[in-house]
Amino acid sequence: QSALTQPASVSGSPGQSITISCTGTSSDIGGYNYVSWYQQHPGKVPKVMIYDVSNRPSGVSNRFSGSKSGNTASLTISGLQAEDEADYYCSSYTSSSTVVFGGGTKLTVL
Amino acid sequence: QLQLQESGPGLVKPSETLSLTCTVSGGPVSSSSYYWGWIRQPPGKGLEWIGAIYYSGSTYYNPSLKSRVTISVDTSKNQFSLKLSSVTAADTAVYYCARHSLGSYGYRYFDLWGRGTLVTVSS
Repeated sequence: QSALTQPASVSGSPGQSITISCTGTSSDIGGYNYVSWYQQHPGKVPKVMIYDVSNRPSGVSNRFSGSKSGNTASLTISGLQAEDEADYYCSSYTSSSTVVFGGGTKLTVL
Repeated sequence: QLQLQESGPGLVKPSETLSLTCTVSGGPVSSSSYYWGWIRQPPGKGLEWIGAIYYSGSTYYNPSLKSRVTISVDTSKNQFSLKLSSVTAADTAVYYCARHSLGSYGYRYFDLWGRGTLVTVSS
């Protein structure tokens, strides 16, 4: 299985919105609504920010939102804050009953 | 509050077998709502799913690691374990155990993670 494709880095200024894309195939993102997004600060454990494409766990800011179109999922962060600077990973269930991650995107808040 | 804790050697020699255990506290591993699995992250790199197990023993593995991986569960000890054979330096990583939330047709997401343990492969 091939990793999902994410941009290596994105950046934005405080208060702005950014979107991170995650492209897969019809065997993963395109075929299932089990897409999730994880935030990881340096040296920390990944934390789920979005699950089932667009659902937010309790306690996650509503500045985080997710969507999907075809084989591409997206994570949007609005009202960027300094604390949002981190690595973000997408993940999808696959037709082989496995899980595939994206390569990760480093978000820099300018 | 349910917690996961990895344990095992932090240093493994090349060609040997890496063995880790994840102890589940605060809830049963024999829950019908979850799979239990392993994810790793080489230093400075991204996340890689290794595999998962149901309390009944049903397993699924990453195809790229399948020939070397065994995941098992011990419901009496409320633990599950990872064995990775014939390790090389490329297997050096932080290894996380994680609970996989189950949906109607597969794993939805990883809703609970252990703190992770660094395993270094070196002679």
